[in-house]
Amino acid sequence: GENVEQHPSTLSVQEGDSAVIKCTYSDSASNYFPWYKQELGKRPQLIIDIRSNVGEKKDQRIAVTLNKTAKHFSLHITETQPEDSAVYFCAAIVRGSYIPTFGRGTSLIVHP
Amino acid sequence: IAGITQAPTSQILAAGRRMTLRCTQDMRHNAMYWYRQDLGLGLRLIHYSNTAGTTGKGEVPDGYSVSRANTDDFPLTLASAVPSQTSVYFCASSRQGAGNEQFFGPGTRLTVL
Repeated sequence: GENVEQHPSTLSVQEGDSAVIKCTYSDSASNYFPWYKQELGKRPQLIIDIRSNVGEKKDQRIAVTLNKTAKHFSLHITETQPEDSAVYFCAAIVRGSYIPTFGRGTSLIVHP
Repeated sequence: IAGITQAPTSQILAAGRRMTLRCTQDMRHNAMYWYRQDLGLGLRLIHYSNTAGTTGKGEVPDGYSVSRANTDDFPLTLASAVPSQTSVYFCASSRQGAGNEQFFGPGTRLTVL
């Protein structure tokens, strides 16, 4: 089955800096890669996703890149703000499936 | 309801007791899921349902059962709770088909003593 590794487990940055979270996956048949943000005490919510037919997707300060050859994808947050502090989960879904395999999460801390 | 809800919000339970966590969605999503979230372990799938009338086992199904009698409801039952089942439980749903966003409920914090 699919295996997703996520790094780092904790990331601490200063406000205004950029943050990058990386995930690798094992199954080359995966074709959908969502990212979820979970604020403290809240539910996970989708913030951005990418499909295997594109290499990059942006939404304001966040972007996701996908390298299918290397089987890794990354979340990029620019100009970080304290409200970006949360746990971020990546996931991969194999083509034809509807069950995501999640990474273990990255706790992002943005210091004012 | 507008979305996906869970009940109860939190519960303290004696070991050996039976407990059902409730999950209801009004988005007419075909697929529903139950996850448990433990520190450092991320979200682990317990059971899922592709459509009403069908269920499947996830990564950590032991000690849990589910049913899907209709589209809206997907209860999770702990037949005889054990302390290792202390966790935060999230229900989620998604439209049928591969590669669709999951919508999560607010979670249930369960403590088994």
